[in-house]
Amino acid sequence: GENVEQHPSTLSVQEGDSAVIKCTYSDSASNYFPWYKQELGKGPQLIIDIRSNVGEKKDQRIAVTLNKTAKHFSLHITETQPEDSAVYFCAASIDSNQFYFGTGTSLTVIP
Amino acid sequence: NAGVTQTPKFQVLKTGQSMTLQCAQDMNHNSMYWYRQDPGMGLRLIYYSASEGTTDKGEVPNGYNVSRLNKREFSLRLESAAPSQTSVYFCASRVSGRALVEQYFGPGTRLTVT
Repeated sequence: GENVEQHPSTLSVQEGDSAVIKCTYSDSASNYFPWYKQELGKGPQLIIDIRSNVGEKKDQRIAVTLNKTAKHFSLHITETQPEDSAVYFCAASIDSNQFYFGTGTSLTVIP
Repeated sequence: NAGVTQTPKFQVLKTGQSMTLQCAQDMNHNSMYWYRQDPGMGLRLIYYSASEGTTDKGEVPNGYNVSRLNKREFSLRLESAAPSQTSVYFCASRVSGRALVEQYFGPGTRLTVT
């Protein structure tokens, strides 16, 4: 099956700086790549997603890039704020029923 | 519109006991999922139901059974709980089809097996 690796596992940034989280996947058939934010005690919530026919997608301070050739995708958060502190998960899906998740990145934004 | 709801929120079981985790969604979604989340391992798919009346195994189905009771409800059963099943369990749902694939997650059930 698909294998998704995510780095780093923890990330601390100063408020206002940028944060980048990277994921790689193994199955070239994967065609949908969502990113989730999970706050303490809650379920994951989708923050942005990208399909394999798109190289980049942006939504305000959040952007995702996809390199199909290298089989990696990244989450970029600019102008970080304390409320961005959470655990972030990447995922990859082939048939939109089987989703394979990365191991998560705990982001801390220091005021 | 409550979204995806899960009961119970917390549960402690002894080894060998059985229990059912309940999940319901009010968004008229076709597909529903059960995941487990363990420290350092992300979320892993246990079972999913692409539509009412169908269920399929995910990545880690051993030790679990599921029932898609109707379009709204999807339950997960542990017949004989083991300490290795200590985890946080999340239910999710989504609309099937090409246009929208976002999964909506419930708040989770924290299960401890002693």
